Amino acid sequence: QKEVEQNSGPLSVPEGAIASLNCTYSDRGSQSFFWYRQYSGKSPELIMSIYSNGDKEDGRFTAQLNKASQYVSLLIRDSQPSDSATYLCAVKRGGYQKVTFGTGTKLQVIP
Amino acid sequence: DVKVTQSSRYLVKRTGEKVFLECVQDMDHENMFWYRQDPGLGLRLIYFSYDVKMKEKGDIPEGYSVSREKKERFSLILESASTNQTSMYLCASSITLGSGANVLTFGAGSRLTVL
Repeated sequence: QKEVEQNSGPLSVPEGAIASLNCTYSDRGSQSFFWYRQYSGKSPELIMSIYSNGDKEDGRFTAQLNKASQYVSLLIRDSQPSDSATYLCAVKRGGYQKVTFGTGTKLQVIP
Repeated sequence: DVKVTQSSRYLVKRTGEKVFLECVQDMDHENMFWYRQDPGLGLRLIYFSYDVKMKEKGDIPEGYSVSREKKERFSLILESASTNQTSMYLCASSITLGSGANVLTFGAGSRLTVL
């Protein structure tokens, strides 16, 4: 079982729709959760971090965490063509600096 | 405004050569990381360091070593390059405590081709 699992996609959504990206993790000791966006040919950059169960909103982005189900998601509202990228879920265990990434989900927003 | 700098953007080496990949950060971060990224496999952690002269193996350390003699610099060494080490190598850094703790800042990447 992979430590962090994501559907590789591509996930195609029309412009203006909600994109829903999902991630599951296997280590119950995980305490910090991150979503990074990576444009083609570029390095990953942080979109959201979440540490507690529930929802965290930042503009058009909402991260959701359910530790009991070991599940993290990212919702992108009003999707734009500029949101087309690969979205990487990352997980960190408490008290340990190692950050583990999923393989990423490629999102395509169709104009 | 560059914060994590990787010395080489593209490298071509021959099998058996010793390869050095250098990474420098100017944010006074305690933690530094080396990942490699391959299609379909995502980012895989090779080594990380949480302090000067300290290092810990990641998920795929075989064939690699690292050096951290100064806080701002973290080097990845391929003792004898092999074709299966052809990849994109990404360096990152983070702080342990405070605002932005554990958020990785990445360099631009070094694409290594081993012939």
